[in-house]
Amino acid sequence: ETGVTQTPRHLVMGMTNKKSLKCEQHLGHNAMYWYKQSAKKPLELMFVYNFKEQTENNSVPSRFSPECPNSSHLFLHLHTLQPEDSALYLCASSQEDSPITYEQYFGPGTRLTVT
Amino acid sequence: AQSVTQLGSHVSVSEGALVLLRCNYSSSVPPYLFWYVQYPNQGLQLLLKYTSAATLVKGINGFEAEFKKSETSFHLTKPSAHMSDAAEYFCAVSEGSNYKLTFGKGTLLTVNP
Repeated sequence: ETGVTQTPRHLVMGMTNKKSLKCEQHLGHNAMYWYKQSAKKPLELMFVYNFKEQTENNSVPSRFSPECPNSSHLFLHLHTLQPEDSALYLCASSQEDSPITYEQYFGPGTRLTVT
Repeated sequence: AQSVTQLGSHVSVSEGALVLLRCNYSSSVPPYLFWYVQYPNQGLQLLLKYTSAATLVKGINGFEAEFKKSETSFHLTKPSAHMSDAAEYFCAVSEGSNYKLTFGKGTLLTVNP
């Protein structure tokens, strides 16, 4: 595997379910991100982890719970979601001590549908 | 605070025609600027980036962008569109010390045969 991978690619869940999204980066980066991409809206940054520590939580509802056990893996635990949470969830990674550009590398996303 | 405005949510061009996608930014410090492309059912792929070196930046797939500080713009161009260029394009800005990327709303490019 290369780059940033995400599983599952598609997920349908009911509002009472609990599920988790997984992201893995194979780039040796030390920062990871969760974004939400909804139709006709800009990408919304949800969470940032830098060296496994959460450094950003953009007022995300508590029904979304991130976990970063090491610098290569990132999870997003989901419970009691709402239909408006249906979206494409993108994971990204970057090298935060790079003197260059903070460019982020994205995974293919998980298409989540809440019924 | 940094922000990005992409003029035109949808741009349609003919195959072989010039592609011009507009991006204006605001930033309180010299910015880093990026263009990403997203093909259907895929994540975002970096096309090119501006990092305070040359103001004309060349990227992948024949795209380039020019940083114009006086106009606070970073427009994306390609001389001749291919059918395979049909995708959504996102402009993004980072303020360097703040590693967060702020994205524009995206521009959907359609290429007609």
